[in-house]
This record gives sequence, structure tokens and C-alpha cells, in this order.
Amino acid sequence: GQNIDQPTEMTATEGAIVQINCTYQTSGFNGLFWYQQHAGEAPTFLSYNVLDGLEEKGRFSSFLSRSKGYSYLLLKELQMKDSASYLCAVMDSNYQLIWGAGTKLIIKP
Amino acid sequence: ETGVTQTPRHLVMGMTNKKSLKCEQHLGHNAMYWYKQSAKKPLELMFVYSLEERVENNSVPSRFSPECPNSSHLFLHLHTLQPEDSALYLCASSPWTGGEYNEQFFGPGTRLTVL
Repeated sequence: GQNIDQPTEMTATEGAIVQINCTYQTSGFNGLFWYQQHAGEAPTFLSYNVLDGLEEKGRFSSFLSRSKGYSYLLLKELQMKDSASYLCAVMDSNYQLIWGAGTKLIIKP
Repeated sequence: ETGVTQTPRHLVMGMTNKKSLKCEQHLGHNAMYWYKQSAKKPLELMFVYSLEERVENNSVPSRFSPECPNSSHLFLHLHTLQPEDSALYLCASSPWTGGEYNEQFFGPGTRLTVL
């Protein structure tokens, strides 16, 4: 079956750095997405990786290793507003998005 | 209005009621999706429409009935639901189905409670 694994919850301190991991097993691979979802709000797009390596976008970076079925989202200079759930999703061979259950990130002052 | 809108934002219904959820996208996209989001579970894809034709139905119970009258509007008709159907129902749209970099844009969701 298809599976996306990511930690359920993580806690970090304001101003610090946090890495949220995602491992996947899917039938085919056509890219990996990270979305951010604040409580009670819509998921919003953060990043897309289809080739191995690191994609940097401001304070957020996303890394992909297709051979290891592994990605991470790196958040730097954490701010209180970064408290949210972070969803990892993989597009499979049928171009269907397979979603992880999300990682709830709690930022403490 | 911009982006993807959903109404109502909150809905409480009994198991014998009939209600409808509405989604509208103002992005000029050709594909629309219904997802179910339950606490601590992955998003579950329910239905996909591309150019107003249904292309995906992931074995959703018949008590959920989608309707896509045009590329901008999507409905989810609900009848005789069960308490376990209580969840956040998210609508999304994308430029097309299939193909790489098919970013989906989400609405804020309808929080449904079935009593």
C-alpha cells in the first residue's frame, strides 16, 4: 500500500530551527509537496520538490532524496506564527496526491 | 472574492437531514476536489472533477453525492449521514488533473457535525 509517515507533533522555541521529516512509500513518484495549515484554516502551499536536493524559499527550505523516499521541511528563525500543522503529500504515478497525517508544530516563547 | 470559498463554514445536522456544501473557485482552474479531513488522519480524497466530469471516486459511500455544474462550482450533497462522517470537508482546485507541479488551492473548509 501507499504510505506517508511524519511525526505527529513537535515542539520548538521561537528563534530556533526545526526540521520536520517525511518518509514515503508510494506507487511511483511525481513530486512531493509541503503544505501549512493553521488551525481552522485552509492548507496553503509551501514547497514542491521533484528532483533531489534542497529548495530554499526564505526562512523555509525543503529537501528531497528520492532514493531514500525521504524529505524534510526546515524552518529557520522560528516565529510564533509558524505554529501550525505541516502536511507532506506525494504525487503518485497516477498524479494523485497521497497525504500524510500532518505534523503539529508548537512554538514556545 | 478571490481564491476558493466554501459555505457554510460550520454545519450541524441530524442523521435524517439533507444538506449541501458549496464550493466556488475564482482562479480559472479546470479541476476541483472534495477532501475529508478527520483529526490526526491524512486527508482523504473523496471526489475529483476535471472539466466538470468526475474522474475519481475513491469508494465513497453513496450518502455523499457530488455535483459539478460548471468549472467554478462544486457541491457535495449530504443525506442520512452517520456520526462518523463528522469532519472538516475541504474543497480544492487546481489548473488541471495530472501532470507535475499540480498545486492545489484549498478553501477554508466546512466543519460538519452529525448528531
